[in-house]
Amino acid sequence: DAGVIQSPRHEVTEMGQEVTLRCKPISGHDYLFWYRQTMMRGLELLIYFNNNVPIDDSGMPEDRFSAKMPNASFSTLKIQPSEPRDSAVYFCASSFGRNQPQHFGDGTRLSIL
Amino acid sequence: QKEVEQNSGPLSVPEGAIASLNCTYSDRGSQSFFWYRQYSGKSPELIMFIYSNGDKEDGRFTAQLNKASQYVSLLIRDSQPSDSATYLCAVNNPSTSGTYKYIFGTGTRLKVLA
Repeated sequence: DAGVIQSPRHEVTEMGQEVTLRCKPISGHDYLFWYRQTMMRGLELLIYFNNNVPIDDSGMPEDRFSAKMPNASFSTLKIQPSEPRDSAVYFCASSFGRNQPQHFGDGTRLSIL
Repeated sequence: QKEVEQNSGPLSVPEGAIASLNCTYSDRGSQSFFWYRQYSGKSPELIMFIYSNGDKEDGRFTAQLNKASQYVSLLIRDSQPSDSATYLCAVNNPSTSGTYKYIFGTGTRLKVLA
């Protein structure tokens, strides 16, 4: 079975550029989560969706960050404009049900120069 | 006080010993508890989940939940060098707004010495 698929795996770009991260959840899962992981702050929840609807975006750090889920099989996390402090590993995860374990993608390692 | 607390470690145990990893949480309304393993440079991988007080066993792993004392632990029996990783505790809390809060601890680094 295919797991959560994220792209790209690595992204290196210059400050000020727009960055788009993509995620395909596990088929049939109704919850989708975006996380950011850094050494300093650990794994932080940015936003999560239920049935394609954003439920809690209180973890999104600034208006430069936005996330969409146009359908059950695709979500994007966009940063515009990007800054060096956005450098981190971004994970997407999905689950079937709100109290169920989450399954993580391989992550996108983002470096903003 | 952090919402989910773990000792960062490293916790070093000899091969074949029992490794005991602990996690405390602050919200008494927490409903679901998860343990993930994360190897360096990799994504978190689910090890165990537990919803009710008591013990839950799966192979070499046992999760223990004590809601009265607000802690959840993970025991790894017959520890192997391949168990060396960072173990993340995660808690699912219902919030006052009707949404859920998913909170991860910062993880405990486990080193199993051959």
